[in-house]
Amino acid sequence: EPEVTQTPSHQVTQMGQEVILRCVPISNHLYFYWYRQILGQKVEFLVSFYNNEISEKSEIFDDQFSVERPDGSNFTLKIRSTKLEDSAMYFCASSDPAPKQYFGPGTRLTVT
Amino acid sequence: AQSVTQPDIHITVSEGASLELRCNYSYGATPYLFWYVQSPGQGLQLLLKYFSGDTLVQGIKGFEAEFKRSQSSFNLRKPSVHWSDAAEYFCAVAMEYGNKLVFGAGTILRVKS
Repeated sequence: EPEVTQTPSHQVTQMGQEVILRCVPISNHLYFYWYRQILGQKVEFLVSFYNNEISEKSEIFDDQFSVERPDGSNFTLKIRSTKLEDSAMYFCASSDPAPKQYFGPGTRLTVT
Repeated sequence: AQSVTQPDIHITVSEGASLELRCNYSYGATPYLFWYVQSPGQGLQLLLKYFSGDTLVQGIKGFEAEFKRSQSSFNLRKPSVHWSDAAEYFCAVAMEYGNKLVFGAGTILRVKS
């Protein structure tokens, strides 16, 4: 079965640094998402992306965050100036027109 | 506001016993309903989904779930739990195609031998 892949699996960065998390969605999917899960908490929606633009974003997704689909295969999440509270597992997901979302394995971001 | 409630934070069952994990949602209409499982340090694996039709849906690993519109519930069940089922289980809903998933807080399942 096709899979969503994410790199890196673990990213350690210092507070204030920029990070880019990368995802390769399933090739024929049209909707792309980022979620995060702070340790011990539930999975929270960050942003959805469709037709090369953001279709919805949460309150968490402030000006420090941005997403991009730089080519036909990658989908990235950038955090411009990381904060300690950005430490979390970040999940990428994709879906075709059906509402079933396929999740990647996640990137654990640790901000020190 | 839209919400998903999983009232049980932890559940412990004996291996071979039956399991039911509860999920209730609060929405104006019937959403699309999902159950995901997450093993420690791992990603989210879809167990099953309900879009429409038969209210009893079958999933992977022997799991099933029943949608009850009158109770706004989508409870997950398994007749006989295996030690490998120990994980965290998340109920999630989406309102329409392309829409975000809203997750419940999760239920941690422990299986004792």
